[in-house]
Amino acid sequence: DVKVTQSSRYLVKRTGEKVFLECVQDMDHENMFWYRQDPGLGLRLIYFSYDVKMKEKGDIPEGYSVSREKKERFSLILESASTNQTSMYLCASSPALLAGNLYEQYFGPGTRLTVT
Amino acid sequence: RKEVEQDPGPFNVPEGATVAFNCTYSNSASQSFFWYRQDCRKEPKLLMSVYSSGNEDGRFTAQLNRASQYISLLIRDSKLSDSATYLCVVLSGGSYIPTFGRGTSLIVHP
Repeated sequence: DVKVTQSSRYLVKRTGEKVFLECVQDMDHENMFWYRQDPGLGLRLIYFSYDVKMKEKGDIPEGYSVSREKKERFSLILESASTNQTSMYLCASSPALLAGNLYEQYFGPGTRLTVT
Repeated sequence: RKEVEQDPGPFNVPEGATVAFNCTYSNSASQSFFWYRQDCRKEPKLLMSVYSSGNEDGRFTAQLNRASQYISLLIRDSKLSDSATYLCVVLSGGSYIPTFGRGTSLIVHP
């Protein structure tokens, strides 16, 4: 059974704190993604990585950074948490692009982060 | 303008009803299409891929209309357990970064 795990389901942090969100996948996938999901705004891509040590900005990278030192692990870092980063954070992984419709993203259970 | 648009709903239907959702996409280079399902407070999961000729999986039927750039999802004989948000997902040729719609909420009531 495929598995994407995230380090915490719920997290409460104070404004200005450095926050680390960890994601691990056991499917040997090349691609990994970090999204945030907010009511009415849907899923928004923060960063993605297509290989170890490789990363590219998504639609809303400001205030975030990422790290991928090992293939199975992709970390999201909030350098100085702010209240507008209160959100649900979802990690996902996918294999390298395959032919036709043989593509699927697998999501972790999410981390609900509250910044006070 | 968002690349993938969905009616947010909610669609409120009785058990046994047939309900259909549409999703439009703006990028004509889009190649692959999917429907994901997201239950309340859970992560999205793949429901079904959408093939050019249309495809069916039990009570669920997906259709693609390339000329009009939309995909649809039809659910027959709705069950209470179908209550969820349905996300339309589009992948452009050569890309591995999918574009998600904001989702359509379905509520099936007794």
